[in-house]
Amino acid sequence: DTGVSQDPRHKITKRGQNVTFRCDPISEHNRLYWYRQTLGQGPEFLTYFQNEAQLEKSRLLSDRFSAERPKGSFSTLEIQRTEQGDSAMYLCASSSRTGLNSPLHFGNGTRLTVT
Amino acid sequence: QKEVEQNSGPLSVPEGAIASLNCTYSDRGSQSFFWYRQYSGKSPELIMSIYSNGDKEDGRFTAQLNKASQYVSLLIRDSQPSDSATYLCAVNMQGNTPLVFGKGTRLSVIA
Repeated sequence: DTGVSQDPRHKITKRGQNVTFRCDPISEHNRLYWYRQTLGQGPEFLTYFQNEAQLEKSRLLSDRFSAERPKGSFSTLEIQRTEQGDSAMYLCASSSRTGLNSPLHFGNGTRLTVT
Repeated sequence: QKEVEQNSGPLSVPEGAIASLNCTYSDRGSQSFFWYRQYSGKSPELIMSIYSNGDKEDGRFTAQLNKASQYVSLLIRDSQPSDSATYLCAVNMQGNTPLVFGKGTRLSVIA
């Protein structure tokens, strides 16, 4: 069990640029989640996948955000035309069960700074 | 609106004391409850889960759940300076929705 891996750890970009983050979940986990966290707040749900299917997207997720999990393994989160308000820690998590008793295991996160 | 509420703190306790962290949630049908610890600049780390009313103990940590009052708490016995962190309460609400997190309570254990 190597844990959830996220890349890059840090990303600084200029407003208007596109960025893409990658997440590799724990290998046997079929659910993968993306959350966003800003200073002083708890993680805020963005979207999640069961295998390759994207099952839910937060209403907070604007159309500049897109996520994929093409083969049910790793996932990417792309933000187009970044804005300063997108600056946050982007957290990926995975879980092994589809029932309610499903703790999430988080990666180290990608810290995005939009200048 | 599905909400999880926590006092943001900071909660300061002396080393060796019991730290008590509280959380309330809005959805009466919620089934699963989790406590995560988050050190500054790091990602959340799962420390406790609880699914039924009552107490659940794991080492120095005790989680308490009261579904009638929609209240879950975390007790940390013999608090250590290394326990200083933000503690996040997370709840699986009805409909198998993704975990909803509170804003977290910042705990400071003073040596």
